[in-house]
Amino acid sequence: DQQVKQNSPSLSVQEGRISILNCDYTNSMFDYFLWYKKYPAEGPTFLISISSIKDKNEDGRFTVFLNKSAKHLSLHIVPSQPGDSAVYFCAARTFPGRLFSGSARQLTFGSGTQLTVLP
Amino acid sequence: EAGVTQSPTHLIKTRGQQATLRCSPISGHTSVYWYQQALGLGLQFLLWYDEGEERNRGNFPPRFSGRQFPNYSSELNVNALELEDSALYLCASSPAGIGGVSYEQYFGPGTRLTVT
Repeated sequence: DQQVKQNSPSLSVQEGRISILNCDYTNSMFDYFLWYKKYPAEGPTFLISISSIKDKNEDGRFTVFLNKSAKHLSLHIVPSQPGDSAVYFCAARTFPGRLFSGSARQLTFGSGTQLTVLP
Repeated sequence: EAGVTQSPTHLIKTRGQQATLRCSPISGHTSVYWYQQALGLGLQFLLWYDEGEERNRGNFPPRFSGRQFPNYSSELNVNALELEDSALYLCASSPAGIGGVSYEQYFGPGTRLTVT
């Protein structure tokens, strides 16, 4: 049962245009969402996050939008650059309740979207 | 500041053998997480250690085990290797959380395990 879904395995965008990566989730207990970027032969790198009490978080060229009613989040990259070409993972965390509850900081990842920015 | 380090980079084992993977977290981080990324799949949560204790484990058989040492480094052991254990194993670390505040996890480069 995939609780975090990235339905597009790949996306190609022209340099300078907007890249929009989408992520859907099913668990209404998720309270914190993150996006990671992964280059080949490297570990994922944290990109940006958003708490469930917000609907938007912006950091430079990267903006994450959260639509709780639709259980949907998206990552916008504007303008896209060739160096942005990587696999992007969205991840979610369940509100822990207690600090050391079993799922306190466990992240559930989507399957990733390969973004290719064409020069 | 040094990031999360993992060793070895690559590991080739035969079916039935045991594999040991190692991880050193970022200095000051007390939590270590292990994930498996099989080909074409996302990251699957394996284990979470904090302050030397196993806090949670994912949906993996008991032959996947590990431990965390007093210096917060960690070891992942996979016994009785099967062909489908071939994957990239990623380790991540984070600082201790206070009051349930979420901290991002910082990943190492991974260990590529190949089982033949």
